[in-house]
Amino acid sequence: GAVVSQHPSRVICKSGTSVKIECRSLDFQATTMFWYRQFPKQSLMLMATSNEGSKATYEQGVEKDKFLINHASLTLSTLTVTSAHPEDSSFYICSARGWTRDNQPQHFGDGTRLSIL
Amino acid sequence: SQELEQSPQSLIVQEGKNLTINCTSSKTLYGLYWYKQKYGEGLIFLMMLQKGGEEKSHEKITAKLDEKKQQSSLHITASQPSHAGIYLCGADTSGATNKLIFGTGTLLAVQP
Repeated sequence: GAVVSQHPSRVICKSGTSVKIECRSLDFQATTMFWYRQFPKQSLMLMATSNEGSKATYEQGVEKDKFLINHASLTLSTLTVTSAHPEDSSFYICSARGWTRDNQPQHFGDGTRLSIL
Repeated sequence: SQELEQSPQSLIVQEGKNLTINCTSSKTLYGLYWYKQKYGEGLIFLMMLQKGGEEKSHEKITAKLDEKKQQSSLHITASQPSHAGIYLCGADTSGATNKLIFGTGTLLAVQP
C-alpha cells in the first residue's frame, strides 16, 4: 500500500529554535500534501494544503511566517516551525494525496511530537 | 464552528459488548471516512462511504451513511481490547479541494 514517512517522530528543543519536519511519500507521487496539528485529546486541525511547485494555502488563523511549508518535489514536503516557543508544542501529522490503487483520500504519516522547552 | 460533531466524546465498554459512534454534519458530505488512531500515532484508515444509504463492513466494524449524506455511524460488534483507541470521522465537505475536515473524535476504552 501507499506509504508516507514522517521524520522525525519526536523532537525536543529549546525555545527560539527552528524545527524542520519532513513528510515523504515513499511509493507514489503526492500531488497534494496536508499538514495537521493535534492538541492532546483533540481532533486533527488542518493547518495548510500544499501542492507541488506552488505556495501553500494556509487555513484561517495559521501564521504562514511561523509555519513555513515547502513542497519542492512530488515526494517531499517540509514544515518548518520557526523560532518555536512552548505554545508550539504539539503533535504534527502530514498526509499525502496522489494516484494510488486504494480509495483512500489521503495517506497519513505517523506524526511528529514536538516539545519546546 | 465545528462542522463535524461526533458522539459520544468518550466511551467505556465491557469486552464483548456492542457500541455505536455517530458523526453528524450540518452540510452534505461528498465523502465520509472513518479512521482509528492510537494515542501519539498516525491514522489507520477503516472505511470510506460516498453514496447516500451506503453501508460497509470489515470484520466486526460496520459503517453507514444516511440517505441525506449528513450523518454516519460506526458500529462495533462484540468489542475487543484491540478496538480501543480514538475514532475519527473525516469528511470532504466541498467536493472540490479533496481537503478533509475531522470530527471531534471519540475515545474508546474496552475493559477486559
